[in-house]
Amino acid sequence: DIQMTQSPTSLSASVGDRVTITCRASQGISNSLAWFQQKPGKAPKLLLYTASRLESGVPSRFSGSGSGTDYSLTISSLQPEDFATYYCQQYYSAPRVTFGPGTKVDIK
Amino acid sequence: EVQLVESGGGLVQPGGSLRLSCAASGFTFSTYWMSWVRQAPERGLEWVASIKRDGSEKFYVDSVKGRFIISRDNARNSLYLQMNSLRADDTAIYYCARDRTAYDIWGQGTMVTVSS
Repeated sequence: DIQMTQSPTSLSASVGDRVTITCRASQGISNSLAWFQQKPGKAPKLLLYTASRLESGVPSRFSGSGSGTDYSLTISSLQPEDFATYYCQQYYSAPRVTFGPGTKVDIK
Repeated sequence: EVQLVESGGGLVQPGGSLRLSCAASGFTFSTYWMSWVRQAPERGLEWVASIKRDGSEKFYVDSVKGRFIISRDNARNSLYLQMNSLRADDTAIYYCARDRTAYDIWGQGTMVTVSS
């Protein structure tokens, strides 16, 4: 199985801050990576896929990059509605996908 | 509107069974792989099972193999998860998700609690 790790586990930031979350796979996944946002009591929401492609309707302040085993999600200017938990997911081994453990972004 | 709505969760004793349903609307259900993903309380996301468009292939995480069965009825635009021999560690919110390679549409989830 492909294992996914994320860092940091949590972070505190202010509105307007630039925030970066990293995700590492246990083997190369050829950009088969998605990022999700989850707010308390809600289902996850797809933000990006293929590492850097923005899902329709997602604000452009969200961006993704990376290759091989290392990927990142960047929020260029954190907004109040962005405080949430973020998960990466590899689908290189689909249908047996795996998720990262999550990064919680809260208000400083 | 593209939508998935789960139902069927509840409280069940260890060793018991439950059948979850997921009703799809707003898209051509039969053209997508579908999956179940679960989230234990205060925990992360775990893929549970996936099914091919025509139901001919099914895949499971090791921890549910032999106990859970994923199925679909394309005529009814519905996805199912039959859960047998339930254990305490199956307690979670269960989400159905449309598999467009990335999971682009999720239901609201249904809670399954396994406890005596």
